[in-house]
Amino acid sequence: GAGVSQSPSNKVTEKGKDVELRCDPISGHTALYWYRQSLGQGLEFLIYFQGNSAPDKSGLPSDRFSAERTGGSVSTLTIQRTQQEDSAVYLCASSYSGGTGDGYTFGSGTRLTVV
Amino acid sequence: AQSVTQLDSQVPVFEEAPVELRCNYSSSVSVYLFWYVQYPNQGLQLLLKYLSGSTLVKGINGFEAEFNKSQTSFHLRKPSVHISDTAEYFCAVTDNAGNMLTFGGGTRLMVKP
Repeated sequence: GAGVSQSPSNKVTEKGKDVELRCDPISGHTALYWYRQSLGQGLEFLIYFQGNSAPDKSGLPSDRFSAERTGGSVSTLTIQRTQQEDSAVYLCASSYSGGTGDGYTFGSGTRLTVV
Repeated sequence: AQSVTQLDSQVPVFEEAPVELRCNYSSSVSVYLFWYVQYPNQGLQLLLKYLSGSTLVKGINGFEAEFNKSQTSFHLRKPSVHISDTAEYFCAVTDNAGNMLTFGGGTRLMVKP
């Protein structure tokens, strides 16, 4: 597509439920990134995909968080047994290769609220 | 590895005044540098980038930044800001080996009438 698409744009869930957040990167972009942005905070790196593999999962905050990418395209970030501290905006970005001079193209984010 | 420091978490400024948002980085290798802007309830948008060549880089919306290798800085400037420039600004760096961007903590620019 023309841009990075994220869905849903907003999600309200009850504490303890599982949620899935979706990211559809720009066609042809091999690298995909997930970030978390809590209220008034900077960007917290979560995970990076190159193709379907994730060479860097170091940012996932706990084992309740997981992500996958299939077909070198769409990625899903899953949060199990959500907690209130998971409330944040989850941003996805993609790039043509592993960054270099292209920079990243960001989606508009998914605002997750855990009640 | 690289790191980025944005020295000011918030910068209040009156409309039509000039502004400078500071960014310093550390790296042992050559770098590429970026500024992104995030308007309320939106994702990040690329403002400008420095890859090589002229150290003064011009971006969208009248912003420019100057790469200073000796001071390891990449400060963002605009000679006259508008209310619509109110947003969060992020500086980022990567090396030229294709590694990930490292972001600074962000600076909230608040333009007042």
